Amino acid sequence: EDKVVQSPLSLVVHEGDTVTLNCSYEVTNFRSLLWYKQEKKAPTFLFMLTSSGIEKKSGRLSSILDKKELFSILNITATQTGDSAVYLCAVDTNYGQNFVFGPGTRLSVLP
Amino acid sequence: GAVVSQHPSWVICKSGTSVKIECRSLDFQATTMFWYRQFPKQSLMLMATSNEGSKATYEQGVEKDKFLINHASLTLSTLTVTSAHPEDSSFYICSARGGQGAAMGNSPLHFGNGTRLTVT
Repeated sequence: EDKVVQSPLSLVVHEGDTVTLNCSYEVTNFRSLLWYKQEKKAPTFLFMLTSSGIEKKSGRLSSILDKKELFSILNITATQTGDSAVYLCAVDTNYGQNFVFGPGTRLSVLP
Repeated sequence: GAVVSQHPSWVICKSGTSVKIECRSLDFQATTMFWYRQFPKQSLMLMATSNEGSKATYEQGVEKDKFLINHASLTLSTLTVTSAHPEDSSFYICSARGGQGAAMGNSPLHFGNGTRLTVT
């Protein structure tokens, strides 16, 4: 059975801290790995990773994929209270026809 | 970028009535849309995969007759919760794959803003 695991499940930090969120997967077919941020409404897309070792970066957020070890990390530097959200990791296992989601990491950034 | 619009954003209905939720891809064609349900502080639970012009594929445990899905065009999928009961109260989210890279089969999911359903 395809599985996506995220850790930690919840995390509390203070503004200015740097956090690393982890996502590991066991799937039959891997197409890509995606990160989403979910605040009060639906998830918003952050990154899509398909190749190992190539960092994707957007402002204070960055992510990288290791297809050999089957994991990805999402880094957030200089965290702000607006970064508080649930961060979801998902794996596309069938060319956009099937996405397996992890349970999410709930990040709380305190002022 | 790819935009998915979901309507309504919230709805309150009485037990026994039916509620229709619409999911539209605004600037791209979506042959496949996904419907999720999310309980408080839990992750997304896939309910069904909606394919344009064919029957939806439901996940195990999801009642087909309860949650009717219609994907009549490349830009619109609807979820109808029939004979709603309080236990159907939840946050329903649709998503579609599209945007840059879609033609190559390599594009992210984009989500609608969700519909919060409350059945009284």
